[in-house]
Amino acid sequence: DAGITQSPRYKITETGRQVTLMCHQTWSHSYMFWYRQDLGHGLRLIYYSAAADITDKGEVPDGYVVSRSKTENFPLTLESATRSQTSVYFCASSGTGGPSTDTQYFGPGTRLTVL
Amino acid sequence: EDKVVQSPLSLVVHEGDTVTLNCSYEVTNFRSLLWYKQEKKAPTFLFMLTSSGIEKKSGRLSSILDKKELFSILNITATQTGDSAVYLCAVRFYNNNDMRFGAGTRLTVKP
Repeated sequence: DAGITQSPRYKITETGRQVTLMCHQTWSHSYMFWYRQDLGHGLRLIYYSAAADITDKGEVPDGYVVSRSKTENFPLTLESATRSQTSVYFCASSGTGGPSTDTQYFGPGTRLTVL
Repeated sequence: EDKVVQSPLSLVVHEGDTVTLNCSYEVTNFRSLLWYKQEKKAPTFLFMLTSSGIEKKSGRLSSILDKKELFSILNITATQTGDSAVYLCAVRFYNNNDMRFGAGTRLTVKP
């Protein structure tokens, strides 16, 4: 059971380039989330999705775009990367109904460096 | 503005000590409070709390929520070096599925 996976695990890019981070989960969880984690800021929610084709902004959405055409995938795109987007990005998912909705399971993270 | 504040930010103890980590929150539409442990990788789930006064327990770890005073504590008894990690507290909102994390408490347990 693969659970939740992210790719790539490490990425170096240049300012202005478009970058897409992939997230895939095998649990058929309805909810999926993207976070960034920076020193001094902890985990901050970028975007989340309640189901396929339903997405919503989190705390820090500017400069990011998401889509969710299939339940199991939730890609995050940086349309024009900036140095301030250098961070570790975590994808998470949670189930539907009852307490399992609130418990989020995290992917291994993607370390992105923007030069 | 919604906020989640953890204290202390870092803590160094010796094996066998008992520690208490704090999480206070000021949020609208509180739904649940969650604790996570993060070592050198992704956060892993520890507890979810929704009701005041009901202790959740898992081995040497326990946690309780006070919805009147808006805080939660995470206790770790008889600490071990393997408990060294960053402990994250997060609050989930009712009206949407937003989740707000605290900055974390970095716990170091020395042998």
